[in-house]
Amino acid sequence: GENVEQHPSTLSVQEGDSAVIKCTYSDSASNYFPWYKQELGKGPQLIIDIRSNVGEKKDQRIAVTLNKTAKHFSLHITETQPEDSAVYFCAASYTGNQFYFGTGTSLTVIP
Amino acid sequence: DTGVSQNPRHKITKRGQNVTFRCDPISEHNRLYWYRQTLGQGPEFLTYFQNEAQLEKSRLLSDRFSAERPKGSFSTLEIQRTEQGDSAMYLCASNGDTEAFFGQGTRLTVV
Repeated sequence: GENVEQHPSTLSVQEGDSAVIKCTYSDSASNYFPWYKQELGKGPQLIIDIRSNVGEKKDQRIAVTLNKTAKHFSLHITETQPEDSAVYFCAASYTGNQFYFGTGTSLTVIP
Repeated sequence: DTGVSQNPRHKITKRGQNVTFRCDPISEHNRLYWYRQTLGQGPEFLTYFQNEAQLEKSRLLSDRFSAERPKGSFSTLEIQRTEQGDSAMYLCASNGDTEAFFGQGTRLTVV
């Protein structure tokens, strides 16, 4: 089955700086890569996703890049704000099948 | 609210008791997933349905666990003879095409 690794496990940045979280996957059949933000006591919230036919996608301060050859994808958050503090999960799936999640990155944005 | 709804939000039960959780997916979504999440970890796949058919079950889903989606709408997850190791957040997600949206989860504590 698919194996998703995520780094770093914790990340602290100053408000206004950028944050980057990286994930690798093992199954070349995976073609959909969502990112979720999870706040304490809540379910994961989809924040951005990318499909394997695209190399980069951006939505305001959030961007995701995908390198299919190297089997890795990254989340970039620019101009971080305190409300960006949360746990972020990457995931990989083959359309219609289960999602495989990374182990999460706890992001702290220091005011 | 048209999101994924899970009930109850919290459940405390004594070891050996049976518990049942309910998930109401987004109405037009035909796929429904159950995941389990323990502290500091990403969600782990348990099972998923396409309409009323249960298509895949994880090895994590022991014979004490059973899930149903009788009419292809809401789903229930039952755990029989609960053990302390069952304590976790149980998450439900649904999707119609690619994006999966999660509910707020049911936090189970077995004492």
